[in-house]
Amino acid sequence: EVQLVESGGGLVKPGGSLRLSCAASGFTFSSYSMNWVRQAPGKGLEWVSSISSSSSYIYYADSVKGRFTISRDNAKNSLYLQMNSLRAEDTAVYYCARESIAARRAVDYWGQGTLVTVSS
Amino acid sequence: QSALTQPASVSGSPGQSITISCTGTSSDVGGYNYVSWYQQHPGKAPKLMIYEVSNRPSGVSNRFSGSKSGNTASLTISGLQAEDEADYYCSSYTSSSTLLYVFGTGTKVTVL
Repeated sequence: EVQLVESGGGLVKPGGSLRLSCAASGFTFSSYSMNWVRQAPGKGLEWVSSISSSSSYIYYADSVKGRFTISRDNAKNSLYLQMNSLRAEDTAVYYCARESIAARRAVDYWGQGTLVTVSS
Repeated sequence: QSALTQPASVSGSPGQSITISCTGTSSDVGGYNYVSWYQQHPGKAPKLMIYEVSNRPSGVSNRFSGSKSGNTASLTISGLQAEDEADYYCSSYTSSSTLLYVFGTGTKVTVL
């Protein structure tokens, strides 16, 4: 069974940093591109960042470019998101999301999400 | 790059069919057959319902169907059921220099 379990969310002050982790299991993690998608309270989904299976290709939304860094450790079946210079508008549930191989350019599995709250 | 445009809400009675539109540009919806649709119940993670415009993942009811014309994609739910009440989001791959994927604004489906 495919499982994605996020951790690392919490309350942080504006300008602070946080590192999210996503532990993957139930599939060959090293074969899949992975994404972070966020959802502000009561709002819609927003794609944040993507990383290819071997970390060769990395993409960021403009809203986080220069502040967030996506990475992965295929030996540990883990995905990360280092978030620096956090702003109030970064407050959201952050989902770890697997990009499907069969369903191209679509996410076929999502984690349960971890809440990041940026507030003084 | 703005979000794809969806109606804020759509409603229907049990057994009826409803259609949700998703309007983008030639840089996303109109330019690629990489439109997907997600269902999200309150407090839950999204679930993939349609990929590559019109394909259903295994396990998704055939009451859900997708299509595209020009820069607008559509999701149709036929034989509406109470369990279909949820938020629905479209998504598209984009050639924008600032994004890889763009999501729609979301549509709340209410079963009357």
